[in-house]
Amino acid sequence: GNSVTQMEGPVTLSEEAFLTINCTYTATGYPSLFWYVQYPGEGLQLLLKATKADDKGSNKGFEATYRKETTSFHLEKGSVQVSDSAVYFCALSDETGGFKTIFGAGTRLFVKA
Amino acid sequence: GAVVSQHPSRVICKSGTSVKIECRSLDFQATTMFWYRQFPKQSLMLMATSNEGSKATYEQGVEKDKFLINHASLTLSTLTVTSAHPEDSSFYICSARQGGNTGELFFGEGSRLTVL
Repeated sequence: GNSVTQMEGPVTLSEEAFLTINCTYTATGYPSLFWYVQYPGEGLQLLLKATKADDKGSNKGFEATYRKETTSFHLEKGSVQVSDSAVYFCALSDETGGFKTIFGAGTRLFVKA
Repeated sequence: GAVVSQHPSRVICKSGTSVKIECRSLDFQATTMFWYRQFPKQSLMLMATSNEGSKATYEQGVEKDKFLINHASLTLSTLTVTSAHPEDSSFYICSARQGGNTGELFFGEGSRLTVL
């Protein structure tokens, strides 16, 4: 079945540091890939997505590229801010999974001033 | 973006009682909603898919008689935790998809249930 594996946290960075959160997936079909973010005390919200190989999703300075050959969708940001502190979830959805969205375990990011 | 609202955001109940959580899509119609359970420091576990006008589809290992789901209209799905026990204490999150099978998911704020 489908699954998502992402790096364990927490990840602690200083402001303006480079961020990478690794995500790999297993899917029987051809999935769409997502990154969701959960800020403290709030619900999940979509950060970015990519629907086909080599697509790059980007938003708020974050980006991730759909790599079919390595089944990966790593999240990157060149310079993090304190306000980026949150939990980040990698997720996938495809037709063979009934279009249900499957989430990774989440990675908590702390950014220090 | 679209708005999904959950109510209540927090509920405390006694063991053996039932608790109902509502999930509403405020500005779009959702034929499908999803209910997730989130354990501390863990990911979201899909419990069931709620289909408007028909029975919910439960994931393996989720007791359908324990977690009753009703999706009576295109904007409302409810999750009722029946005969709640302390192990049911958790964070329950609903989501609704806008725009068909590949549409964006919008999430409610979540409901924290504490069973004493």
